[in-house]
Amino acid sequence: QKEVEQDPGPLSVPEGAIVSLNCTYSNSAFQYFMWYRQYSRKGPELLMYTYSSGNKEDGRFTAQVDKSSKYISLFIRDSQPSDSATYLCAMTPFYNTDKLIFGTGTRLQVFP
Amino acid sequence: DAGVIQSPRHEVTEMGQEVTLRCKPISGHNSLFWYRQTMMRGLELLIYFNNNVPIDDSGMPEDRFSAKMPNASFSTLKIQPSEPRDSAVYFCASREGLAGSSGANVLTFGAGSRLTVL
Repeated sequence: QKEVEQDPGPLSVPEGAIVSLNCTYSNSAFQYFMWYRQYSRKGPELLMYTYSSGNKEDGRFTAQVDKSSKYISLFIRDSQPSDSATYLCAMTPFYNTDKLIFGTGTRLQVFP
Repeated sequence: DAGVIQSPRHEVTEMGQEVTLRCKPISGHNSLFWYRQTMMRGLELLIYFNNNVPIDDSGMPEDRFSAKMPNASFSTLKIQPSEPRDSAVYFCASREGLAGSSGANVLTFGAGSRLTVL
């Protein structure tokens, strides 16, 4: 079993829809959680990060962490075609914040 | 800032050949990471350096893989001999300092080197 599981998609939604992207993990030592966005033929770029449980909002994006369920989510409101990309969750354990473990990514397509 | 620069962007080679991938991190960044990305396994950390010193190479799949960072502005990942299962996109990423007090591992990735081994 992988440490971080993520549905690969693809997820196809109309413009303006609310998108929910999710990851589950098995290692209870994970304490720092990030979402990276990767456009086709590009490297991943950091979108958001959160520490421990709770919510964090940044514009149209909201990151949510539920440590009791070992479940994290990224919500995108009013999705745009420019949001079409692969979204990768990533996390690090408290004992080694250098070691970033990625999910395999969910491909999102927002059509006009 | 030109960001993290990787070369070559694409490499097609035959099984058994030596492959060298190159990376120039962002100036002033003192941590460098090599990742490999495949459809099946996603992004896997191969090795990382802090201040040019290799810290953890436990992700390097075999002795055929080696990485060096002779100075703060250059790193190489070498595969010798290459095999078809090495086909993947190899990413280099750099980070300014250690992971922040928030634990956020803010890596800046290059555009990747797409390797195909026939």
